[in-house]
Amino acid sequence: EDQVTQSPEALRLQEGESSSLNCSYTVSGLRGLFWYRQDPGKGPEFLFTLYSAGEEKEKERLKATLTKKESFLHITAPKPEDSATYLCAVQAFNAGGTSYGKLTFGQGTILTVHP
Amino acid sequence: DGGITQSPKYLFRKEGQNVTLSCEQNLNHDAMYWYRQDPGQGLRLIYYSQIVNDFQKGDIAEGYSVSREKKESFPLTVTSAQKNPTAFYLCASSLDPRDRGSGYTFGSGTRLTVV
Repeated sequence: EDQVTQSPEALRLQEGESSSLNCSYTVSGLRGLFWYRQDPGKGPEFLFTLYSAGEEKEKERLKATLTKKESFLHITAPKPEDSATYLCAVQAFNAGGTSYGKLTFGQGTILTVHP
Repeated sequence: DGGITQSPKYLFRKEGQNVTLSCEQNLNHDAMYWYRQDPGQGLRLIYYSQIVNDFQKGDIAEGYSVSREKKESFPLTVTSAQKNPTAFYLCASSLDPRDRGSGYTFGSGTRLTVV
C-alpha cells in the first residue's frame, strides 16, 4: 500500500526565514510525486511534478527536490502570502506497469509566515 | 476560462437524507475524481472515473455513489448509509491518466455539514 507522510504538521516562520518541508513516501514503483498548495476553504493548486531521484524544480521562492525515499519543498525568504497548507502526493505504477492516475496524499504541512 | 465548478459551496444535510454534490469541468479532461478531506488528514479517494459510463471505487466508497453519463460531469451522491458525512469534498480532473505526470485540476470544494 502506498504511503505518504509529511513533516512537520505545522511550521511557523518569520518573513525572510528560509526552511524546508519534508515528504517521505513508500510506493511500489514511483510514477510521479506531486506538490500542491491549498488555501483555506479552497481546492489545492498544482505546483510541481517530480519523476525521478535527483530531479529539481523551481517556481519563485519554492524549490522541490526528490530522492528515492523523500521529497523536500524548500522555501527561500518566504513572504506572508506563502502561508498555506502544502500537500504532497504520489502516483504509482500498477502491477501491469501502467497507472490509472490515482494519487495518494499526505496529511499536509500548514505553513504560517509572519511579517 | 477553463476549470472545474463545484456546487453548492456549502450544503447542509439532515439525518437520513441523500444529497448530491455537483462537479462540472470544461477542460476536456478524461479522468475525474472525488476526494474527501477531514481536518488533519490527507485527501482520501472516494470514486474515480477514467472514461464516460465507467467508474471505480476508491478507498472509502461506502455510503457514496456516482455516475458519469457525460464527459464533463461527475456528480457525487452522499447517501444516508454514510454515517459520518461532515467533511470538505473535492472534485478533480486530469488528462488521460496514462499520460505521465498529468497533475490534477481541483474544484473549489463543497463543505457538507450534517444538522
